Amino acid sequence: DSGVTQTPKHLITATGQRVTLRCSPRSGDLSVYWYQQSLDQGLQFLIHYYNGEERAKGNILERFSAQQFPDLHSELNLSSLELGDSALYFCASSVATVSVPSGNTIYFGEGSWLTVV
Amino acid sequence: DQQVKQNSPSLSVQEGRISILNCDYTNSMFDYFLWYKKYPAEGPTFLISISSIKDKNEDGRFTVFLNKSAKHLSLHIVPSQPGDSAVYFCAASARNQGGKLIFGQGTELSVKP
Repeated sequence: DSGVTQTPKHLITATGQRVTLRCSPRSGDLSVYWYQQSLDQGLQFLIHYYNGEERAKGNILERFSAQQFPDLHSELNLSSLELGDSALYFCASSVATVSVPSGNTIYFGEGSWLTVV
Repeated sequence: DQQVKQNSPSLSVQEGRISILNCDYTNSMFDYFLWYKKYPAEGPTFLISISSIKDKNEDGRFTVFLNKSAKHLSLHIVPSQPGDSAVYFCAASARNQGGKLIFGQGTELSVKP
């Protein structure tokens, strides 16, 4: 158990719909990262939040957005869903500070499996 | 632009023998490297890491080697066990990027009894 909690574990929804994935980081971790893993794909970095502020964006679609709340939990919002959005979405957390020296290890949750039909 | 590459999608090894998983990178700013292990339908689990100031780090049966001049790292598992069968991801990060990791595509290791 990494200490990172993600809900829901599985979600099936129709095209055009909107879903919200939730993540609770490990106790004490200020950074939250979201990754997407599609079929036959590696882990694609989506976005990073540190202590409520967006720090880095990766290959995140404009239809997707995220936020980190004062209690440090994070939500990933996926809207106007398409079949190609079906994937495993992972949240990860770390202690990382803003100007983190290398050596930061991030810990992953179990993932939320999204199926768009 | 695939900055971290694992060119072998799969590897099959006999139990008790050595497993060697390889990873190449292109970004010379990367200075911290990690290996994660992943079972189907589970999140990646941190395995071992290495800083660019070292060329080797060992933890039990797992050893990671880093060759900075070749921009190459490898994970050695000795001896391999059937429970090691999983997908292994190599990841890298660069200084002052907030800990963001860039992952390779993964190598599926199968250890046969």
